[in-house]
Amino acid sequence: EIVLTQSPGILSLSPGERATLSCRASQSIAGNYLAWYQQKPGQAPRLLIYGASNRASGIPDRFSGSGSGTDFTLTITRLEPEDFAVYYCQQYASSLKFTFGPGTKVDVK
Amino acid sequence: QVQLQESGPGLVKPSQTLSLTCTVSGGTIISGGYYWAWIRQHPGSGLEWIGCITYSGTTSYNPSLKSRLFITADTSNNQFSLKMNSVTAADTAVYYCARVRELHYYSLGVWGQGTTVTVS
Repeated sequence: EIVLTQSPGILSLSPGERATLSCRASQSIAGNYLAWYQQKPGQAPRLLIYGASNRASGIPDRFSGSGSGTDFTLTITRLEPEDFAVYYCQQYASSLKFTFGPGTKVDVK
Repeated sequence: QVQLQESGPGLVKPSQTLSLTCTVSGGTIISGGYYWAWIRQHPGSGLEWIGCITYSGTTSYNPSLKSRLFITADTSNNQFSLKMNSVTAADTAVYYCARVRELHYYSLGVWGQGTTVTVS
């Protein structure tokens, strides 16, 4: 089973700053089956990035994903007030098995 | 536009069975290339994948929960359901249903709003 680790646990930044979130896998993720989600309090998660680097429909281009193998990154180029939230990575293994990372909280400095 | 809606009791007694249904609207669960998942979130915690089903009835379960789970699909009502038996307080969580899209690298692109289940 692939285990995902996200860092940092909490990222304190100001609006307008750049956010860099890391997701590391315990084994190489074949095919870049890695997604990123944003979750705000009281809401369901929202898909941001799939396939490591593809933005989901309607996601602003300030969000970008990169990486391969075991190291993946979500970058938010300029934080908007609505971007302060918790971000999760998720990987897909074969046979319809999924795991999520523990999350990174981006909060206001 | 596909929408998902969870339904079921908000309160379940310990040792009983938790039963939830996800109703899919704006699309059909027999669409090829899509799978249907359950995820939960304990209070103040992260996301935990519970299990998944294809429209044809193939299932996959979180190994840590597998012995207590049963996920089914009802194509005539465009729903899929989760049953978890022998629940304890540790199963108190918000339960989400979601749609997995194979073409989008098996990402979960559509989510229900979530339903809170308390075991007490």
